[in-house]
Amino acid sequence: AQSVTQLDSQVPVFEEAPVELRCNYSSSVSVYLFWYVQYPNQGLQLLLKYLSGSTLVESINGFEAEFNKSQTSFHLRKPSVHISDTAEYFCAVSVKGGSEKLVFGKGTKLTVNP
Amino acid sequence: GAGVSQSPSNKVTEKGKDVELRCDPISGHTALYWYRQRLGQGLEFLIYFQGNSAPDKSGLPSDRFSAERTGESVSTLTIQRTQQEDSAVYLCASSRRGNSGNTIYFGEGSWLTVV
Repeated sequence: AQSVTQLDSQVPVFEEAPVELRCNYSSSVSVYLFWYVQYPNQGLQLLLKYLSGSTLVESINGFEAEFNKSQTSFHLRKPSVHISDTAEYFCAVSVKGGSEKLVFGKGTKLTVNP
Repeated sequence: GAGVSQSPSNKVTEKGKDVELRCDPISGHTALYWYRQRLGQGLEFLIYFQGNSAPDKSGLPSDRFSAERTGESVSTLTIQRTQQEDSAVYLCASSRRGNSGNTIYFGEGSWLTVV
């Protein structure tokens, strides 16, 4: 079975500061990796995903995540955050070659303060 | 519609009552998922439908929970004899196919409160 651990339940930062949201996973088989974001009063949206190829993946709004197989990690980073990045971020995995069933972490609430 | 639609958006029910939650997936999406999100918790997988295949019910927490889907359209999640621990946001999601790696699209959820 797969499991996802998001080490920080809440991360407060100031605007324009860098941020890293940590995600570690456990799986005996190869997985795909995802970050989903949930803005206040909105549904979950895909932020970025790693399927294969370059281990560094980027989103359109400046976030990036790097797949590290040896450390079984997929941490999410942004060099300079905005107030509008305030949201809850969920890391998830699915089994390669399996269904799209996602196993989620418990989420990290990012609060960007002015 | 443009996205996954869920109804009702909010439901307050008395303990012991049955509730039905509805999901309209994105048109043309063959795969449909139900997840549950309790306060302060991550999303728990409940059930997965893919085309005409037998659904994956491995995440349903008890026999009080059931779900149906008619073809590749609407799905209904039913909770019988609701308990307070059933209070949660119930999220529906859909995607074009059931292959891992595809993006799945979530609705805004149905907030269920059992009093």
